Amino acid sequence: DAKTTQPPSMDCAEGRAANLPCNHSTISGNEYVYWYRQIHSQGPQYIIHGLKNNETNEMASLIITEDRKSSTLILPHATLRDTAVYYCILKNEKLTFGTGTRLTIIP
Amino acid sequence: NAGVTQTPKFRILKIGQSMTLQCTQDMNHNYMYWYRQDPGMGLKLIYYSVGAGITDKGEVPNGYNVSRSTTEDFPLRLELAAPSQTSVYFCASSYGGVDIYEQYFGPGTRLTVT
Repeated sequence: DAKTTQPPSMDCAEGRAANLPCNHSTISGNEYVYWYRQIHSQGPQYIIHGLKNNETNEMASLIITEDRKSSTLILPHATLRDTAVYYCILKNEKLTFGTGTRLTIIP
Repeated sequence: NAGVTQTPKFRILKIGQSMTLQCTQDMNHNYMYWYRQDPGMGLKLIYYSVGAGITDKGEVPNGYNVSRSTTEDFPLRLELAAPSQTSVYFCASSYGGVDIYEQYFGPGTRLTVT
């Protein structure tokens, strides 16, 4: 499986958009980009996924570059409850979790 | 739907003891997974199953066994517990294993081996 690179930590002010980057320069053509988050030792929670096109759901937006070598997860109006570790994962059958980005929302 | 449930929530084992971590899902998912998460680390796949009667090894299977006799249940067996197995164990399930199906995770079992 191709690997991903994420910053270890980020801060974002409450109410602002949180933009979480992910590099996946060795992604293969059939690998989807998935985002999960883990809130304080709970089980991970699915957020969004995409292959080529940008995606949006009720939780977030996913922007994938045209060459698919990087992506950005956008939480449009971050709240304190969005404080969590966010994992960017490439998946062709199994999920491989890295260490993710610890996002802290600041009041 | 209860989703994915795991029991027990916490357990302390002595070195050499054995135990079974239980996992049940009520979403009629074909795929089920066991992960472990060590402090400050991401999750690592231990075993997974693509359906009743079929299991396969993940990244870190040594010291564990699984079985899948029904669609709903996927127990994880620890034989001869070792301190290195101190971890948080998560069970997950998904409708399929191909690209488009997200995994649903249970709340975890926190295991300490002393």
